[in-house]
Amino acid sequence: GAVVSQHPSRVICKSGTSVKIECRSLDFQATTMFWYRQFPKKSLMLMATSNEGSKATYEQGVEKDKFLINHASLTLSTLTVTSAHPEDSSFYICSATDTGGGETQYFGPGTRLLVL
Amino acid sequence: KQEVTQIPAALSVPEGENLVLNCSFTDSAIYNLQWFRQDPGKGLTSLLLIQSSQREQTSGRLNASLDKSSGRSTLYIAASQPGDSATYLCADYNYGQNFVFGPGTRLSVLP
Repeated sequence: GAVVSQHPSRVICKSGTSVKIECRSLDFQATTMFWYRQFPKKSLMLMATSNEGSKATYEQGVEKDKFLINHASLTLSTLTVTSAHPEDSSFYICSATDTGGGETQYFGPGTRLLVL
Repeated sequence: KQEVTQIPAALSVPEGENLVLNCSFTDSAIYNLQWFRQDPGKGLTSLLLIQSSQREQTSGRLNASLDKSSGRSTLYIAASQPGDSATYLCADYNYGQNFVFGPGTRLSVLP
């Protein structure tokens, strides 16, 4: 149980285009999902908290107009990288907590984005 | 398959005490090891990152060490405060290009 999927697993796009990444909780409902980005030296940093039915909460330094988050249902959150640039190339990971209780975060497998 | 464990699962200490949280991993072929803090209902906040070539990292009252040969990392918290109460997780990033998280240590610092 407690599986989180991400789609796509890998995407290559041209500079200036927008890319949407989906995060789904497959066997549980998730009121809250989190989006992380892997930075140089492979550190994992929280970007934003995605709340079902309300606006996302962004961490300091993360551009909300650049990284659009939508959490339209209890099993799906999407991250859209708008007007992507090469510096947006990174590994994006989502996680979700079970609405039914507990603080354990279940992580997706990640999406590798390469902007040319 | 990499496995990460953390001991203890829970810890309760009086304010002011120094404490050590332990993290063990089975496969020493890691790229780095990262310590996180998780507050209830919140995402993971990165505390310290140790590259595989490093032995330790320090930030304020926090010090993390890494011993790849023994598959262990420790997070030392000096002069603990009630605000340090949270769940602490360690995670390694390995050459398979994925993160493996430990189950966490739930810390309570009592005033």
